[in-house]
Amino acid sequence: GENVEQHPSTLSVQEGDSAVIKCTYSDSASNYFPWYKQELGKRPQLIIDIRSNVGEKKDQRIAVTLNKTAKHFSLHITETQPEDSAVYFCAASVTSYDKVIFGPGTSLSVIP
Amino acid sequence: DARVTQTPRDKVTEMGQEVTMRCQPILGHNTVFWYRQTMMQGLELLAYFRNRAPLDDSGMPKDRFSAEMPDATLATLKIQPSEPRDSAVYFCASGMDGYTDTQYFGPGTRLTVL
Repeated sequence: GENVEQHPSTLSVQEGDSAVIKCTYSDSASNYFPWYKQELGKRPQLIIDIRSNVGEKKDQRIAVTLNKTAKHFSLHITETQPEDSAVYFCAASVTSYDKVIFGPGTSLSVIP
Repeated sequence: DARVTQTPRDKVTEMGQEVTMRCQPILGHNTVFWYRQTMMQGLELLAYFRNRAPLDDSGMPKDRFSAEMPDATLATLKIQPSEPRDSAVYFCASGMDGYTDTQYFGPGTRLTVL
């Protein structure tokens, strides 16, 4: 079955700096890669996703890149703000409506 | 703004008791997922349904856990008997295959088994 790894497990950055979180997956059939943000005590919420037919997607200060050959994908947050502090989960699935396998999460702290 | 709802939000029970958690998916969504979140294991998929039919419950301990969808507006996750190691936050999520690109998570049920 699919296995998703995520690094780093914790990340601290100064406000205004960039943050990068990297994930790898094992199942070459996976085609859908969402990223979720979970604030303390809250539910996970989708922030961005990417499909295998594109290599990069941007939404304001966040972007995701995908390398299907190497089976890895990354989340990039630019101009970080304190409200970006949360746990970020990458995930992979075969389709957008299939079961999603989550990575272990990255706890991001943005220091004012 | 449609949201997935879950009840109860918090549950404290004693070992050996039955626990039932309920989820109301977003109206019109036909796929429902149950996840368990712990510090040690992260987010684990327990089971999921499409059009009320169970598609995969391989992540669920079969001897004590059961998941059902009595109708399209209600999903239940039952633990009987409960054990301290079941203490976790249980999330329900819903989606619509072929239409929405995301799973919408409920607020979760925080279960503590003493």
